[in-house]
Amino acid sequence: GAVVSQHPSRVICKSGTSVKIECRSLDFQATTMFWYRQFPKQSLMLMATSNEGSKATYEQGVEKDKFLINHASLTLSTLTVTSAHPEDSSFYICSARPPSNNEQFFGPGTRLTVL
Amino acid sequence: AQKVTQAQTEISVVEKEDVTLDCVYETRDTTYYLFWYKQPPSGELVFLIRRNSFDEQNEISGRYSWNFQKSTSSFNFTITASQVVDSAVYFCALSEARMGGSARQLTFGSGTQLTVLP
Repeated sequence: GAVVSQHPSRVICKSGTSVKIECRSLDFQATTMFWYRQFPKQSLMLMATSNEGSKATYEQGVEKDKFLINHASLTLSTLTVTSAHPEDSSFYICSARPPSNNEQFFGPGTRLTVL
Repeated sequence: AQKVTQAQTEISVVEKEDVTLDCVYETRDTTYYLFWYKQPPSGELVFLIRRNSFDEQNEISGRYSWNFQKSTSSFNFTITASQVVDSAVYFCALSEARMGGSARQLTFGSGTQLTVLP
């Protein structure tokens, strides 16, 4: 089956530092990956759509200079939270979609805590 | 714009009871997909079902069943004979279908926390 991994699964960092989260499709190529954010006891909110070889499309209210997305290959997208602040603490989940498939396969999520 | 409403924030039942989780959606699209996901405390989303808007047949999978009513824009989820392991947050989600049938990004409901007591 389609497997999506995320690394790291958990990260704690100091305020002002940058954190990179990787999302990999392990057994399929993903032309499109999605990044979601989930605050405690809340729903998943789409942050951006990442397309291989092109710029990501950000949802309204999401700062593209703060949340850098790179989709350099068909199996890897990265989300970098720059100059992290405590309010960026959240659960970040990626999903990947194969080219000719209407399924989205979710990663296990990354829990970010900014001190 | 798309919207998914899960009016039930929290539900508690005793083991072996049946429980129905409600989901109401809004979309202007004629072709769309509806999903249910389970999120246990570990956080990982577990896919339960995908339903195409053209397929209104109800579906049963073991103790799980889904009732899709296009007339009322609802896609409710029933767990029969609930078990403690069913305790989780359940999300209903909607995705429009682009040309060619592939889905776009998901719009999630706010989720329903289900607690099944022993």
